[in-house]
Amino acid sequence: DQQVKQNSPSLSVQEGRISILNCDYTNSMFDYFLWYKKYPAEGPTFLISISSIKDKNEDGRFTVFLNKSAKHLSLHIVPSQPGDSAVYFCAASAYSGNTPLVFGKGTRLSVIA
Amino acid sequence: DTAVSQTPKYLVTQMGNDKSIKCEQNLGHDTMYWYKQDSKKFLKIMFSYNNKELIINETVPNRFSPKSPDKAHLNLHINSLELGDSAVYFCASSQWEQSYEQYFGPGTRLTVT
Repeated sequence: DQQVKQNSPSLSVQEGRISILNCDYTNSMFDYFLWYKKYPAEGPTFLISISSIKDKNEDGRFTVFLNKSAKHLSLHIVPSQPGDSAVYFCAASAYSGNTPLVFGKGTRLSVIA
Repeated sequence: DTAVSQTPKYLVTQMGNDKSIKCEQNLGHDTMYWYKQDSKKFLKIMFSYNNKELIINETVPNRFSPKSPDKAHLNLHINSLELGDSAVYFCASSQWEQSYEQYFGPGTRLTVT
């Protein structure tokens, strides 16, 4: 039972354009959402997060949007750069020290120069 | 300086053998985790330790035994390895109060033949 779903396994975007990565979740107990980025042969690295009390969080070129009623979040990267090419994992948790992160399957983003 | 390190990076072994993977973090975090990324690319929590105390123990065969000698180390010992144990194992760490922001090691690719 996938509680966090990333339905697009891959996405190709031209350099300079916007990349939009989507994520859906099913568990209404989740109240904290994160995006992690992973390069080959490396561990995931934390990118950006959003609490359920917000609907938007911005950090430089990265913006995460949360639509709680639709149980949907998205990551926008503007402008996309070749160095952004990686696998992006969506993750969710109930904000508690003893609640594990639940990860989606990842979306591979390729930014073409 | 490597924040979260794992050894070995690659491990090839035969069915039935016993092996260990080591993890160390120099971030001063009090919570450490083991994740398994299987062939379907899902990252799933296996265990978490807070101040050397086991907090999360997901449905994992008891052939897997984590050991935390101190807050900076969390090792994973696997007995009687099976083909299905082949995966990439990631160690991660965080502060308990910010368990949503985890720092991952580079992963250990385990291949059981």
